[in-house]
Amino acid sequence: SQQGEEDPQALSIQEGENATMNCSYKTSINNLQWYRQNSGRGLVHLILIRSNEREKHSGRLRVTLDTSKKSSSLLITASRAADTASYFCATGAGSYQLTFGKGTKLSVIP
Amino acid sequence: NAGVTQTPKFRVLKTGQSMTLLCAQDMNHEYMYWYRQDPGMGLRLIHYSVGEGTTAKGEVPDGYNVSRLKKQNFLLGLESAAPSQTSVYFCASSPRASGDRYEQYFGPGTRLTVT
Repeated sequence: SQQGEEDPQALSIQEGENATMNCSYKTSINNLQWYRQNSGRGLVHLILIRSNEREKHSGRLRVTLDTSKKSSSLLITASRAADTASYFCATGAGSYQLTFGKGTKLSVIP
Repeated sequence: NAGVTQTPKFRVLKTGQSMTLLCAQDMNHEYMYWYRQDPGMGLRLIHYSVGEGTTAKGEVPDGYNVSRLKKQNFLLGLESAAPSQTSVYFCASSPRASGDRYEQYFGPGTRLTVT
């Protein structure tokens, strides 16, 4: 069964706008990760946030985690056409296995 | 570094045929995984391995077998392919977890069609 559920399923924005996607999960975790998948490619790791962290930044990415609500959000600021991809959250409860959500498909229109 | 590579990239099988997908990683990672990705379903874990000579079942293991005879290779076998196994298969690897090193590294995928 899927652990993470992303929302929205699809998002279309203009270049330069910010994109926010959300992830909800059901059970306790020790880390939550976000991955990007360009069309026809494998997934690429973007950022990891541990369960004792509330916010983390990496370049134009900002991730928040609210363990009381079992939810996370990924913000991409000043989006570019190259950000067009599917974005997946993945939750980890141990030292290796991850459970992936179904993804948010982001389209950035030039 | 090639990272994670998968062979083949594409394959068409007839129902009942068998095949083996090969995954190789050159990062000396302990853990390796096989996922399948279907439209609207995200990634689902088929089998995984925590070290050479060990394998374990994931979420959707039925119809598949795996072997990890060498640390750098993880093989996924379909003994008797079924149309329900039409999917894109991804292999991934990850190092022994320490600090923030929980991320997984993915191969480019194998697109399998079973007719």
